[in-house]
Amino acid sequence: DAGVIQSPRHEVTEMGQEVTLRCKPISGHDYLFWYRQTMMRGLELLIYFNNNVPIDDSGMPEDRFSAKMPNASFSTLKIQPSEPRDSAVYFCASSPRPNSPLHFGNGTRLTVT
Amino acid sequence: SQQGEEDPQALSIQEGENATMNCSYKTSINNLQWYRQNSGRGLVHLILIRSNEREKHSGRLRVTLDTSKKSSSLLITASRAADTASYFCATDAWGGSTLGRLYFGRGTQLTVWP
Repeated sequence: DAGVIQSPRHEVTEMGQEVTLRCKPISGHDYLFWYRQTMMRGLELLIYFNNNVPIDDSGMPEDRFSAKMPNASFSTLKIQPSEPRDSAVYFCASSPRPNSPLHFGNGTRLTVT
Repeated sequence: SQQGEEDPQALSIQEGENATMNCSYKTSINNLQWYRQNSGRGLVHLILIRSNEREKHSGRLRVTLDTSKKSSSLLITASRAADTASYFCATDAWGGSTLGRLYFGRGTQLTVWP
């Protein structure tokens, strides 16, 4: 199994631009999570899905953030428009059932200038 | 907040020594998990301990859980330079409406010197 795959690994963009982060979970995993990691705030849960349905999006910071999971093998996190304070490492993780270990991707390092 | 908190924030030891990290949390849980993160990489699951368990071992790792004190510890014995990483505890929320959600602490940065 290739594990959770995220793309791109690095993204540098200018303030105001749209950013789309992508994630392919492990096949058969029903849960998908988007986390954001910064030095100041640590690891924050943004949103998670169960069977492609968003369950909890209370961590999404603002309307500028949106996430979709059109099918079991693909999810996107979009920021429009991006701001410098969005700079962080964004992780996608998946798990086969509730409260089981998460499998993380290697993250996307986003820099907004 | 349910979020766990690790202690200490940073730990520096010599190879061969043992490393102990602690985690405290606030509400009842189903299980507690420990993860490791190497620089520039995603988190990797190490061990899961259920609320009805008190101790669990995996190789050089030993985890304890004290639900009465709402705390856990991770012990790494005979540490190696390759153990240098950040270590996080994560808890779920017992009876929570958001089943499957994990709450992560801020992590302990462990440095093992050769």
